[in-house]
Amino acid sequence: NAGVMQNPRHLVRRRGQEARLRCSPMKGHSHVYWYRQLPEEGLKFMVYLQKENIIDESGMPKERFSAEFPKEGPSILRIQQVVRGDSAAYFCASSPRDGGATDTQYFGPGTRLTVL
Amino acid sequence: QKEVEQNSGPLSVPEGAIASLNCTYSDRGSQSFFWYRQYSGKSPELIMFIYSNGDKEDGRFTAQLNKASQYVSLLIRDSQPSDSATYLCAVVRGADGLTFGKGTHLIIQP
Repeated sequence: NAGVMQNPRHLVRRRGQEARLRCSPMKGHSHVYWYRQLPEEGLKFMVYLQKENIIDESGMPKERFSAEFPKEGPSILRIQQVVRGDSAAYFCASSPRDGGATDTQYFGPGTRLTVL
Repeated sequence: QKEVEQNSGPLSVPEGAIASLNCTYSDRGSQSFFWYRQYSGKSPELIMFIYSNGDKEDGRFTAQLNKASQYVSLLIRDSQPSDSATYLCAVVRGADGLTFGKGTHLIIQP
């Protein structure tokens, strides 16, 4: 029973390049959340998606960042024209959203992005 | 602005003793409360969730919630060296994303 899967686990990009991070939720989960953890900082919510819909993107930077969760395939977090400040661990979490406020989010192993 | 506050530590506890971790939150509309454990370089791992006032026990772990005081705590009984990690408190309102504290670094001394 696979958990939340993320790839790549480590990603190195030079300034100005694009980074694409992928997340496959747990089986039976249709809700995906992306979080960012900067060095020595706490986890910060970025975006919440359902299939083909962005539900809440209040934590996403206004520029260069976008996310999608297509009908088929994994959720993608895309960072255009990366800068050194984007270096962080990016975690994806999924939940079943089967009702109530107690839906639990389960985290993937994360993608460690390093911008040179 | 939603905030979750935790003492960053480090909190040092002798092996076999009770570790007590505390968390306060600012959003009175918060409905569910979670404790995650994160080892260095790893992803958060769920320990417990609680949504009703009072205590909830699961093995060596007990979560306590007091909504009137906006306070959540986690007790770890019979602490083991493997419990050494950063403990993250998180709160959520409805379908929102989780709001995390910065975590408490716990060290269990053999």
